[in-house]
Amino acid sequence: GAVVSQHPSRVICKSGTSVKIECRSLDFQATTMFWYRQFPKQSLMLMATSNEGSKATYEQGVEKDKFLINHASLTLSTLTVTSAHPEDSSFYICSATPTAGENTDTQYFGPGTRLTVL
Amino acid sequence: QKEVEQNSGPLSVPEGAIASLNCTYSDRGSQSFFWYRQYSGKSPELIMSIYSNGDKEDGRFTAQLNKASQYVSLLIRDSQPSDSATYLCAVKEEGFQKLVFGTGTRLLVSP
Repeated sequence: GAVVSQHPSRVICKSGTSVKIECRSLDFQATTMFWYRQFPKQSLMLMATSNEGSKATYEQGVEKDKFLINHASLTLSTLTVTSAHPEDSSFYICSATPTAGENTDTQYFGPGTRLTVL
Repeated sequence: QKEVEQNSGPLSVPEGAIASLNCTYSDRGSQSFFWYRQYSGKSPELIMSIYSNGDKEDGRFTAQLNKASQYVSLLIRDSQPSDSATYLCAVKEEGFQKLVFGTGTRLLVSP
């Protein structure tokens, strides 16, 4: 149980294009989802907290106009990297917390999306 | 600034030994504690959660929590080379949604 998927797993794009990453909770509903970024050999960095039906809460230093987050349903959140540049190349990982049950404060992670911007 | 601290390692243990991973946290209001394992190039996967003082066992893994000392640890018994990974300690304060992660301890289990 508590499976989270991400799509795509890997994307290569040209500088200036926008890339959308989907995060889905497959066997549970998730009111809250989180988006992280991780550069090689560095720690996880929380980008934003996404609550279904409301605006995302961004961490300090994360540009909300560049990283657009939509959480339109209890099983899907999307992250769009707009006008991507090579410095946006990173490993993007989402996580989700179940809305109900015993583990409502546990984050289950998706497999991640590796973005390479040329 | 809420902090979670871990020794970055690497912690090297021989196969079959007990690996002991430690974590301290700064916020006394923390209520939920988690251990995640992250293999190189992969996303974190949940190993265990712990909420009350004492020990919690799951297979070869035992989490230990001491709220008075603001200390949480993970013991891995009969360590295997496949346990070689980075272990992340994460802490959640009551009333907050997000987790505060430590920087992780790299564990190397040699055959």
